[in-house]
Amino acid sequence: EPEVTQTPSHQVTQMGQEVILRCVPISNHLYFYWYRQILGQKVEFLVSFYNNEISEKSEIFDDQFSVERPDGSNFTLKIRSTKLEDSAMYFCADTPLGGSHGYTFGSGTRLTVV
Amino acid sequence: DQQVKQNSPSLSVQEGRISILNCDYTNSMFDYFLWYKKYPAEGPTFLISISSIKDKNEDGRFTVFLNKSAKHLSLHIVPSQPGDSAVYFCAAGIRSGGSNYKLTFGKGTLLTVNP
Repeated sequence: EPEVTQTPSHQVTQMGQEVILRCVPISNHLYFYWYRQILGQKVEFLVSFYNNEISEKSEIFDDQFSVERPDGSNFTLKIRSTKLEDSAMYFCADTPLGGSHGYTFGSGTRLTVV
Repeated sequence: DQQVKQNSPSLSVQEGRISILNCDYTNSMFDYFLWYKKYPAEGPTFLISISSIKDKNEDGRFTVFLNKSAKHLSLHIVPSQPGDSAVYFCAAGIRSGGSNYKLTFGKGTLLTVNP
């Protein structure tokens, strides 16, 4: 069964450093998303991406965050200057056009900012 | 801003019995509801969905019920199996604008099915 692949599975970074989280969506899916889950809290929407541009973003997704699809396959989330409160599980997800089965989520990247 | 609420953080049931997970929402614009299951160190896995034009959807052991007037949905698992032990998330979205929709999640309910 097709799956969404995320790398790395765990990233430790120092506060103030830049991190890039990578995702390889399912090849024929068109809508891409990033969500995050801070430990013990709910899964939160960050951003949605379609046709090479952001279609919606949450208030969490401030100027420190950016997304791009640099080569037509990978979908990346960049955090320019990490803060301690950015520590969370980050999930990439996608849906096909007209999908009726919800999102397909990746297994997540655990980001730890120290 | 808890638009989607799962008031029970945990639920424990015996194998073979019914598990009932509940979810309430406040945004009447939501027209699409989903349940996800999540194991530790994995991403959420889609289980079952229901659109607002229906009040019930069934898939094998899983049934989702939607009560729009009460803004309440529930997931029934019968019979429950030990492998069902996981965190279950309720999620809601607005699909009427097209296929691109964001989901609002509840905090999750940890289901433990005892052998």
